[in-house]
Amino acid sequence: KAGVTQTPRYLIKTRGQQVTLSCSPISGHRSVSWYQQTPGQGLQFLFEYFSETQRNKGNFPGRFSGRQFSNSRSEMNVSTLELGDSALYLCASSLQRQDLIGYTFGSGTRLTVV
Amino acid sequence: GESVGLHLPTLSVQEGDNSIINCAYSNSASDYFIWYKQESGKGPQFIIDIRSNMDKRQGQRVTVLLNKTVKHLSLQIAATQPGDSAVYFCAETGGNEKLTFGTGTRLTIIP
Repeated sequence: KAGVTQTPRYLIKTRGQQVTLSCSPISGHRSVSWYQQTPGQGLQFLFEYFSETQRNKGNFPGRFSGRQFSNSRSEMNVSTLELGDSALYLCASSLQRQDLIGYTFGSGTRLTVV
Repeated sequence: GESVGLHLPTLSVQEGDNSIINCAYSNSASDYFIWYKQESGKGPQFIIDIRSNMDKRQGQRVTVLLNKTVKHLSLQIAATQPGDSAVYFCAETGGNEKLTFGTGTRLTIIP
């Protein structure tokens, strides 16, 4: 079966711009979570969506937002980009909430802000 | 705040030897722990998990040990192979559906 698909794989943006990243979960998976990965901070939880509703949120500023569609695909948006937003953004999907064994990560979108 | 940390950022091991990767956590409410492997250009991949009511769990070539008294867990990889070269993360959750990850240990296998 197809894995978690994240697009685009690489992105270069300028400070002040906004960006939208996309995540298509494994077919049938309804929960999608987003993480930011940087060398200094490691993997940090951004938010989780289930049934088109944000269920959990990490400690990130309001510039980071997301949404989930009825087909469980999810997008995350970062507005007014800062240099520190340069990171690998990972999404993970699972069948249900709390299904951490079935939690499957995509390969990520590498965002570079210049 | 709560955090999950790692004792060593890098580890080099001879091919065929056993590897031990350590992780310390600080959240007393953590009840579920997972080890992930992340290869270059890929997302983290589930290796093995353990619940707080256990102190040891074995998989294929991997063993996770949990010491709740000192809030420490370790991942042991037996007979390491070149394909084991990757960054390994421990992660924990206290049941709130989000994972808190450690900073990672880079394991390098020396041929």
